[in-house]
Amino acid sequence: GNSVTQMEGPVTLSEEAFLTINCTYTATGYPSLFWYVQYPGEGLQLLLKATKADDKGSNKGFEATYRKETTSFHLEKGSVQVSDSAVYFCASFPGGATNKLIFGTGTLLAVQP
Amino acid sequence: NAGVTQTPKFQVLKTGQSMTLQCAQDMNHEYMSWYRQDPGMGLRLIHYSVGAGITDQGEVPNGYNVSRSTTEDFPLRLLSAAPSQTSVYFCASSTRCRGGICYGYTFGSGTRLTVV
Repeated sequence: GNSVTQMEGPVTLSEEAFLTINCTYTATGYPSLFWYVQYPGEGLQLLLKATKADDKGSNKGFEATYRKETTSFHLEKGSVQVSDSAVYFCASFPGGATNKLIFGTGTLLAVQP
Repeated sequence: NAGVTQTPKFQVLKTGQSMTLQCAQDMNHEYMSWYRQDPGMGLRLIHYSVGAGITDQGEVPNGYNVSRSTTEDFPLRLLSAAPSQTSVYFCASSTRCRGGICYGYTFGSGTRLTVV
């Protein structure tokens, strides 16, 4: 079946530190992959996406590369800011007839000044 | 502004009451979904729809009904509210994947529901 596993949080970093949040997926085919971000008290916003193997999604200094061989889509940022504090969700979109988006459980990132 | 609009933003219900959470999108998206978000459990799919007149169950459909009479609207009905339905509810919409390109879902800002 289709599933997404992401690292548990919380992840606590100092400002300007390097960020990695791990995400792996299982799928019967080749899903599109997404990272969503949820700031406190808000809904989910699409952060970046990749639709095929070796694609790199990027936005606001965040990057993630679709790795088919390791079935991974790890989120990285070279220098985090306090304003990046949020919950990050990895998601798989297998497509097909149902178009259901499959979420990981989310990772809370707390960036301290 | 184009997007997904959810109402109300906050609601308190008594056990046994019924209510409808409204969701509307103006992007002509075929697909719409309802999720609930609970601490430590991420987002769980309640019901979804692939087009007007078509709905199906997600992971946690019990206690909820949906209908999709138009492309724009996808209301979620709580039949007889229970404290276990205290949660934050998100509606989301998406266009179909086309040519292998999937654009992901656009989410509403959520409805925070408390059942006492």
